[in-house]
Amino acid sequence: ETGVTQTPRHLVMGMTNKKSLKCEQHLGHNAMYWYKQSAKKPLELMFVYSLEERVENNSVPSRFSPECPNSSHLFLHLHTLQPEDSALYLCASSQDVGHYGYTFGSGTRLTVV
Amino acid sequence: AQKVTQAQTEISVVEKEDVTLDCVYETRDTTYYLFWYKQPPSGELVFLIRRNSFDEQNEISGRYSWNFQKSTSSFNFTITASQVVDSAVYFCALSEAQDSSYKLIFGSGTRLLVRP
Repeated sequence: ETGVTQTPRHLVMGMTNKKSLKCEQHLGHNAMYWYKQSAKKPLELMFVYSLEERVENNSVPSRFSPECPNSSHLFLHLHTLQPEDSALYLCASSQDVGHYGYTFGSGTRLTVV
Repeated sequence: AQKVTQAQTEISVVEKEDVTLDCVYETRDTTYYLFWYKQPPSGELVFLIRRNSFDEQNEISGRYSWNFQKSTSSFNFTITASQVVDSAVYFCALSEAQDSSYKLIFGSGTRLLVRP
């Protein structure tokens, strides 16, 4: 079991649905991240949180809304997604925001139909 | 322009062979960090190594070794005596000191298949 847990592992949702992805870490890390991994594209940074404050929003459409209620939990709220948003969404954490190695979760495989 | 290039899309070797995964990066920053991650079929990326731009010493960890050459902007990864459990997608990544978000810029990955 990794130190970063993501739920659900798989999610199928319609374009009009609202759903949330959850990420939890028990490593005592202060920074958390959302990355998107699409087929045939490099991993893309979506959001960075440091001590519950968002420090980076990497030009992500507003249909993706992050939430970090505390340093152990990170959510990604989804609404009115498009089929091209289907991807593996990976959560990661690191000791602090900086040039550290991340600990990744296993990801949520999202399919938008 | 792509900053991290992993030209090998897929490599297939027979168990016990040595294999080298190539990584070429591009940056104007004098201070930067290079990483390798392994992504097994289970999905999570596993951190393997971090190297900063001022440390060109090669590193060996068991069957894994890394060759960092600033002159050619390369950070190659070699697995010695490969095993079936090494089968995964391997990603090289770059983090630039001037980037205040500290984001990792990933290459497109190399899929390694080790056959018994």
